[in-house]
Amino acid sequence: QSALSQPASVSGSPGQSITISCTGSGSDVGGYKYISWYQQYTGQAPKLIIYDVTNRPSGVSKRFSASKSGTTASLTISGLQAEDEADYYCCSFIAIGVLFGGGTKVTVL
Amino acid sequence: QITLKEFGPPLVKPTQTLTLTCNFSGFSLSTSGEGVGWIRQPPGKALEWLALIYWDEVHRYSLPLRSRLNIAKDTSKNEVVLTMTNMDPADTATYFCAHTRSGSLDFGYWGPGARVTVSS
Repeated sequence: QSALSQPASVSGSPGQSITISCTGSGSDVGGYKYISWYQQYTGQAPKLIIYDVTNRPSGVSKRFSASKSGTTASLTISGLQAEDEADYYCCSFIAIGVLFGGGTKVTVL
Repeated sequence: QITLKEFGPPLVKPTQTLTLTCNFSGFSLSTSGEGVGWIRQPPGKALEWLALIYWDEVHRYSLPLRSRLNIAKDTSKNEVVLTMTNMDPADTATYFCAHTRSGSLDFGYWGPGARVTVSS
């Protein structure tokens, strides 16, 4: 099964909002309400920032929000800050386990 | 507080079998709903899910790698072991174990990762 499709890179200026898309199919993103998003800094383990499509774990900034429509999930970072520069991965529940996206590098200009 | 840590050889030869151990604390794999997954990340590339095991011994494997993987748990030691046979240089990656729960399969806690290089 191929990785979920994410843009390779997204950039924005401090204070702006950016959105990262995650496109799949009816067998993954479109078929389940279990979409998660991870933030990963270089050389570190990923960190869960969104689960069950829209929920933020305790301690995660409210600047991170997410949604899903059909076979595409989206992560929005509002009020972009320098500390948001990282790689972001979506992840979908599938019948046999999970499937990750190809990752998106976020650059703060 | 949930913590996990991966242990394994930093270097394996092609065709050899890789054995990785995930030692964890803060939860028990004898408790309903608990699970541990393995995810890898080749240098400069994306995350790839490999396998997971639940408290009830149910396990799941990535389809492309299913024939090469085995996951097992030792509840008394709070450990999960992943073996991958017939290692290839393309398997060079950082291997992570992570905590999950049945249902949503999000990984809320991760180990720091174990870097494995496959080379003769």
